[in-house]
Order: sequence, then C-alpha cells, then structure tokens
Amino acid sequence: QVQLVQSGAEVKQPGASVKVSCKASGYTFTSYGITWVRQAPGQGLEWMGWISAYNGNRNYAQKVQGRVTMTTDTSTRTAYMELRRLRPDDTAVYYCARVHVGWFDLWGQGTLVTVSS
Amino acid sequence: EIVLTQSPGTLSLSPGERATLSCRASQSVTSNYLAWYQQKPGQAPRFLIYAASNRATGIPDRFSGNGSGADFTLTISRLEPEDFAVYYCQQYGSSPWTFGQGTKVEIK
Repeated sequence: QVQLVQSGAEVKQPGASVKVSCKASGYTFTSYGITWVRQAPGQGLEWMGWISAYNGNRNYAQKVQGRVTMTTDTSTRTAYMELRRLRPDDTAVYYCARVHVGWFDLWGQGTLVTVSS
Repeated sequence: EIVLTQSPGTLSLSPGERATLSCRASQSVTSNYLAWYQQKPGQAPRFLIYAASNRATGIPDRFSGNGSGADFTLTISRLEPEDFAVYYCQQYGSSPWTFGQGTKVEIK
C-alpha cells in the first residue's frame, strides 16, 4: 500500500526541539522527494521545505531556515524533520508529503506539535 | 516570493451548482506549475490538479483546472456533497514554493 505514516503527537516546551518522522511504503523511496508543510490551528498551509530522497539536496523556506533540518534514511525509507528553538507559534499540524516534480501527490496523516509551557 | 491570492474567501453554494475558484499570482508562474488541493476538516490535503489543468489519478472529471501566466481557476462543474471543503492552490515554478490562503466551499 502506497502511504506515508507519521510519528505521533508531541508536546514541547518553548526552546526545545522536536523531530517528526515520516515512513514511506509502497513505492520507490529514492524516486521522489519529501516536503514538509505545516498548518497552525484554523489557518492555511505553510510550506517549510523539501528534501530529495535521491541525493539529499534540500531547500528550506526562509521563515524556518536556521531552525529546521530535513533528512532522509534510505535504509528505512524514512524522512525526518527536526525543528529547534521551538516557539508557541510553531504549534501546528505538521504534514509530510511526497514530491513529484513540485506537486505533493501523497500526504501523511499529520503530526500535531504543541509548544506550551 | 510568489504570493498566491485566492478568491473568494468563502463560496456558498448548493449541491448540483457550479463552483469557480480563482487563484491569482503576484507574478507569472513558470511553466504554469500550479497545483490544487482539497482539504476537509481533520484530514490531510488531497491532491487534485497539477500543471494547472491536469487531473491527478482518481480525481473525478467534474474537477477541472484552467489558466496560465498569473491567473488560474479551479472549476467544480456540479457540486457533490463530498466536495464541500477548503481548496488551496500551490505554485512550484519558483522557489520558495507557496500556497494560497484557501477558498472554503460551504453548503448554502
């Protein structure tokens, strides 16, 4: 079955880091990229960046540049997104999605990250 | 950065009616690299259209995309009950990739 399965919800304190995983199955992992998109409560979709699972090339949105790292592990077909120095406005559902050319054709179920003291 | 502006913010229609959603870019979108997504409450987005006018696999033909340059539309020819949702456009012609703010299609 072609799918992306994400790790579970997280609650973090301000200043901490979070690492969300996204495990792919049912397709050739290295033939696509993985993007990360977040959605704050009641808000729209915000693109955070993407990584090629083929060669590891990555591109981050300026808003999270310097705080985010996206990686892939081809041996386990898993992508990771780590966000550091968390702030309350990082509270959101974080989605991974498969990238083909530049569109996002397969989405994970989302991971709620709550940043609160 | 290309800013995508979607209009209207909310569209109130009845089942069976035609829905026309607009997505306007702040500059021309390279190669008409524009996609559309549907999102229902509590769910991940669903991929609908790529390259402005090509339906994704399994998407019903009542969904159609059109446009070029900086002006794009998504049309739902006859709304089914399951089509009431929020729709987003996304451009991937220039980095950073960006989304519009969404159009909510609600039941009138």
